[in-house]
Amino acid sequence: AQSVTQLGSHVSVSEGALVLLRCNYSSSVPPYLFWYVQYPNQGLQLLLKYTSAATLVKGINGFEAEFKKSETSFHLTKPSAHMSDAAEYFCAVSPPFDQKVTFGIGTKLQVIP
Amino acid sequence: DGGITQSPKYLFRKEGQNVTLSCEQNLNHDAMYWYRQDPGQGLRLIYYSQIVNDFQKGDIAEGYSVSREKKESFPLTVTSAQKNPTAFYLCASSRTGSGANVLTFGAGSRLTVL
Repeated sequence: AQSVTQLGSHVSVSEGALVLLRCNYSSSVPPYLFWYVQYPNQGLQLLLKYTSAATLVKGINGFEAEFKKSETSFHLTKPSAHMSDAAEYFCAVSPPFDQKVTFGIGTKLQVIP
Repeated sequence: DGGITQSPKYLFRKEGQNVTLSCEQNLNHDAMYWYRQDPGQGLRLIYYSQIVNDFQKGDIAEGYSVSREKKESFPLTVTSAQKNPTAFYLCASSRTGSGANVLTFGAGSRLTVL
């Protein structure tokens, strides 16, 4: 079985501050990991993915995430928050070559001017 | 442009009625998915299909049914057996066998039971 845990359903940061959204995973096999972003009343779009290549993954809009096997973590970071980053962010896990993708509960990011 | 179309965007239903949500994709993806989104609960998988005429239950399949008669289409029926159907429903698709299930999502359908 696979699962992800997102710590903090709401995170607030000041504009220009570091963004850190936490995700820990559980998987019986080395997983594929993803971060998606959702703007209000829209579908989700992919920010970045980890597929067992480089452990530091860069995505769109200046976001990146680091896969740490020893900590079973895949935290999402961005050095400097922008107002347009305000959205809900979802971490997801999938075993290799299995179509089932499991999502976390999401973290709503608020950016304060 | 390729993508996923969900319809209707908003739907109201009386208790006891079945309702069908449409999902069509022109991405030539083999796999399709239905998720339900509720505040504070993230996305929960209802059903998914890896190939035409085949589908698997997800984590919360009770009260829902699907069909996959065409590669492009994966409609979801919310039956009267679903006790709490008010939610935001998201359809997605992906390639298979590529080694990483990157999902492409539709814009969603919001169902409200009156």
